[in-house]
Amino acid sequence: SAVISQKPSRDICQRGTSLTIQCQVDSQVTMMFWYRQQPGQSLTLIATANQGSEATYESGFVIDKFPISRPNLTFSTLTVSNMSPEDSSIYLCSVLDGTNYGYTFGSGTRLTVV
Amino acid sequence: EDKVVQSPLSLVVHEGDTVTLNCSYEVTNFRSLLWYKQEKKAPTFLFMLTSSGIEKKSGRLSSILDKKELFSILNITATQTGDSAVYLCAAPGAGNNRKLIWGLGTSLAVNP
Repeated sequence: SAVISQKPSRDICQRGTSLTIQCQVDSQVTMMFWYRQQPGQSLTLIATANQGSEATYESGFVIDKFPISRPNLTFSTLTVSNMSPEDSSIYLCSVLDGTNYGYTFGSGTRLTVV
Repeated sequence: EDKVVQSPLSLVVHEGDTVTLNCSYEVTNFRSLLWYKQEKKAPTFLFMLTSSGIEKKSGRLSSILDKKELFSILNITATQTGDSAVYLCAAPGAGNNRKLIWGLGTSLAVNP
């Protein structure tokens, strides 16, 4: 199955600042997914990132707040902009694995905004 | 609207017990159902089920899908404290982006 390296693993940030999370995949993938998981909640899809096109955002998420880059088929970044304590969550990237492993996830970023 | 519902939401058992976790779904153009284990941050893949009645097994974990009744179960036998985690069920939605529809998860605590 695909292996995804996600960085940073965790961060504590001041409100009003921005954090960029990056995911590197060891193989080429068409679609990458970015999720947020707030404390005690299930996973919520933020956006789907395809290489060479604008990311598709889910209802309730906007590009100004969560800009995404997808410069090639193995890499993507998600920026959490102008952070507030409500942005404190686990952020996860995921890819659809071409084998029988379904969707593979990065190791996650635990973000705390103070 | 597509949805995935898991039950129970939480469960506390003793080591050695057998547990059954449930996942029902209503998904347009159903293709597959996925089970994941989430201990800290990242969900780790357990099973992908596409066909009814065929049990998938990995050690003490097994899972089966019923496409007629639209549900799946995940069984864990001889539970260990290391099985304590949130177990998530998901199914790809009908859209071209194959977005996963997630259940809320079952939080399993295995006490020694």
